[in-house]
Amino acid sequence: DAGITQSPRHKVTETGTPVTLRCHQTENHRYMYWYRQDPGHGLRLIHYSYGVKDTDKGEVSDGYSVSRSKTEDFLLTLESATSSQTSVYFCAIAQSGGTYNEQFFGPGTRLTVL
Amino acid sequence: AQSVAQPEDQVNVAEGNPLTVKCTYSVSGNPYLFWYVQYPNRGLQFLLKYITGDNLVKGSYGFEAEFNKSQTSFHLKKPSALVSDSALYFCAVRDDGATNKLIFGTGTLLAVQP
Repeated sequence: DAGITQSPRHKVTETGTPVTLRCHQTENHRYMYWYRQDPGHGLRLIHYSYGVKDTDKGEVSDGYSVSRSKTEDFLLTLESATSSQTSVYFCAIAQSGGTYNEQFFGPGTRLTVL
Repeated sequence: AQSVAQPEDQVNVAEGNPLTVKCTYSVSGNPYLFWYVQYPNRGLQFLLKYITGDNLVKGSYGFEAEFNKSQTSFHLKKPSALVSDSALYFCAVRDDGATNKLIFGTGTLLAVQP
């Protein structure tokens, strides 16, 4: 999976608790992305980063925040988890330089909010 | 706004037969299109991309895709399907060149019967 790891791989939590998912890359790529995958919706972009401390919102950012203090790490935080945030979360990276680079995906984190 | 549509939730094909997974797109400007495959409990894997040039793009695992500007389509094809090709396939279009953001379709499940 292109030097991308996600942790944890599985998590079960309760409504109202904070949750942080971690994406770690060893490729030194500039761009990093967080998606959620839900049946019937495909992948939807939550947040993305175009450099250290540079982040922006995606299509479904409500209830999520991100941080990127190092090139290799991109954290996704659910401040107060809700059942609607039960999903599979994928991190992706894209190489700096050029505008036609494909994204490479991590293995995913399955999150269940009870 | 950029978008892609995958009109079929599922495609069934017999092993050895040719397969086609359909994708249509809507863009302002030049289209930059991608196909990804997702095997069970795995992240997405890049298959191929169309940026410019030849309308027939060759990718990984024997897959190819045909770009048709007049029909705004980018269908994924393979001459002879394998049972191991059974997976979820996603079409995507580049949304923002500066940040390599992608917009994904809802996915098509390919089932290859032995």
